[in-house]
Amino acid sequence: DTGVSQDPRHKITKRGQNVTFRCDPISEHNRLYWYRQTLGQGPEFLTYFQNEAQLEKSRLLSDRFSAERPKGSFSTLEIQRTEQGDSAMYLCASSLGDGSDEQFFGPGTRLTVL
Amino acid sequence: AQSVTQLGSHVSVSEGALVLLRCNYSSSVPPYLFWYVQYPNQGLQLLLKYTSAATLVKGINGFEAEFKKSETSFHLTKPSAHMSDAAEYFCAVMNFGGFKTIFGAGTRLFVKA
Repeated sequence: DTGVSQDPRHKITKRGQNVTFRCDPISEHNRLYWYRQTLGQGPEFLTYFQNEAQLEKSRLLSDRFSAERPKGSFSTLEIQRTEQGDSAMYLCASSLGDGSDEQFFGPGTRLTVL
Repeated sequence: AQSVTQLGSHVSVSEGALVLLRCNYSSSVPPYLFWYVQYPNQGLQLLLKYTSAATLVKGINGFEAEFKKSETSFHLTKPSAHMSDAAEYFCAVMNFGGFKTIFGAGTRLFVKA
């Protein structure tokens, strides 16, 4: 499968715990995006990488959230001291980085914070 | 600031009937516009995109959308609905040359037999 993959698909954790999600983009794609989607809403932009550089962070991304893309390939999104409000679907997408920039989405990681 | 409004969180049509999903956008600069579809337990899939070329854009699965600058609209249509079209549809806007994509809240399409 040459699409975007995310791991794990589901994560249940207790409030206060740390969680880390992984995204593997399509191999030749330079851009990588993280979104959060809650029930009944569209995806909300969290952050964006051009290769290994994190170029934009949403105000939604509090200091408990950190994302990395160390070698410009896979990316991780860590949430520290999780809160119940963090429960959502976390989506990763990648794109070539050309002008029209179609984003290819992974299946998402569903986080439930108890 | 950019924004997207999708009118109607739920739309129900009969199989074979016209599908019309409405999207209005707000953007201070010429936008890229997209429609994505999301099937249950799957990632979003691009249906079609507008990138300042032809205003009538044809996508996959028989869908098309028309960019109307005067109305700031980008409505999605399909002449004849199929049961397999039942899914959630998202309209999205991105600045020309940009990267940040703003999504609408989505419209869930139900197709009745």
